[in-house]
Formats: sequence, structure tokens, C-alpha cells
Amino acid sequence: SSELTQDPAVSVALGQTVRITCQGDSLRSYYASWYQQKPGQAPVLVIYGKNNRPSGIPDRFSGSSSGNTASLTITGAQAEDEADYYCNSRDSSGNHLEVVFGGGTKLTVL
Amino acid sequence: QVTLRESGPALVKPTQTLTLTCTFSGFSLSTSGMCVSWIRQPPGKALEWLALIDWDDDKYYSTSLKTRLTISKDTSKNQVVLTMTNMDPVDTATYYCARTLNAYSSRLFFDYWGQGTLVTVSS
Repeated sequence: SSELTQDPAVSVALGQTVRITCQGDSLRSYYASWYQQKPGQAPVLVIYGKNNRPSGIPDRFSGSSSGNTASLTITGAQAEDEADYYCNSRDSSGNHLEVVFGGGTKLTVL
Repeated sequence: QVTLRESGPALVKPTQTLTLTCTFSGFSLSTSGMCVSWIRQPPGKALEWLALIDWDDDKYYSTSLKTRLTISKDTSKNQVVLTMTNMDPVDTATYYCARTLNAYSSRLFFDYWGQGTLVTVSS
């Protein structure tokens, strides 16, 4: 199966913009989706498809993609955005359906 | 309102078989396009997808674990069951079930998750 690579940790000053990236060959064929996970809680979907936000997700969260890299951008990061963020997509390496997750990025809001 | 809840043993011994049940509401797994996946997360580590079952009873497994996994559904009870054989301490993790949409498109995603259940493998 293929892999998705994320930076282990990223920090951002309160109110500034931060981009979290996800790299992998599968992203040339499939869109990434993004999940926010706070300590002791289940992941929450924040971005899916080309750049879609589920109901209730603030519009400061946005997604983009280019080549083998997908990005999650938080414009005007808030203290409550401090969390782990995971990307996922379908796996393009086999001939059957399989799903892959990135290793996660810990976002610190300073 | 969509909800999912995982249930099963909190502790299993090495070599035993784990059986987890996901009980959901707010959608039907007989509706075209609906799928449910199992995903796990070892303490302090990343998410790992395990298996998916779709509305038509098609099943898919992680390549690395497929010899140990079986996923099934009971549509009338709104339940999905995952069994994992030959449990090992490295299988200690929080196990989540999640509704899965667009599984056969380029835009697969998990829109609703259960709260997870921690399974510890220890003698």
C-alpha cells in the first residue's frame, strides 16, 4: 500500500495562517480528506473532496491540492484549533479499494 | 441525526479473537452509497484503516491485516461487526467505526465517527 506523509508538528501564532501538508502518490488520483482530533476525542471531519466543509466547520478551514500534495489551510488560527490533524485518501497502489492515513500533524497555536 | 457507537471487550488476551460491534442510527446500510469502516489508533500513534463494508455487502480489508479480519453487517439491527483473530499486544488501540461516503469515487471520506473503544491486549 502507498503512504501519506505529514510533518509531525507545526506551530502558528494566534490569528495567523498555517498550512498543513500531506504528500503521497495516491493524491495524484484521489482527493484527500482532513480530520481534526483533540486529546481523548474521536476525529472530526473538517475538509473533504476538492474543498468542502461539513456543516459546523468554520470557514477559516480550507483545502487545496496540487500534484501529489494536499494542503489544509487555517486562515486566522484560533486557540481551539490546536489539535492533531490527519489526512486520508484512497490508496492507488492496488487494484482493490483500500484507504490510507497520514501520520498526523500536531498543530500548536502560540 | 447520525450516531455510531462501538462496543466490545476492553481487555483481550494474546492469541484470542476480538469481536467488536458498531451500532449506528440515522442512516441505513441498505441505502446505495452507504458504507461503514473500522479504523484504529494505538495510543499516541496515527490512525489506521482496517476494513470497509458497503450497502451491497462488498467487503474490503487492509492488505497488511486482511488474513486476520472479518467484517459483516446486520442491516436489520443497524450493526456492523469486526472480528480480528490472533490478537497481540501491538493490537492495543482505540477502535473506531465511521460512516464512509463516496467510497468508490475519488472523494472517499469518513463523516461520522463513534467515540471509540479502547482495547488492551495483555495476558
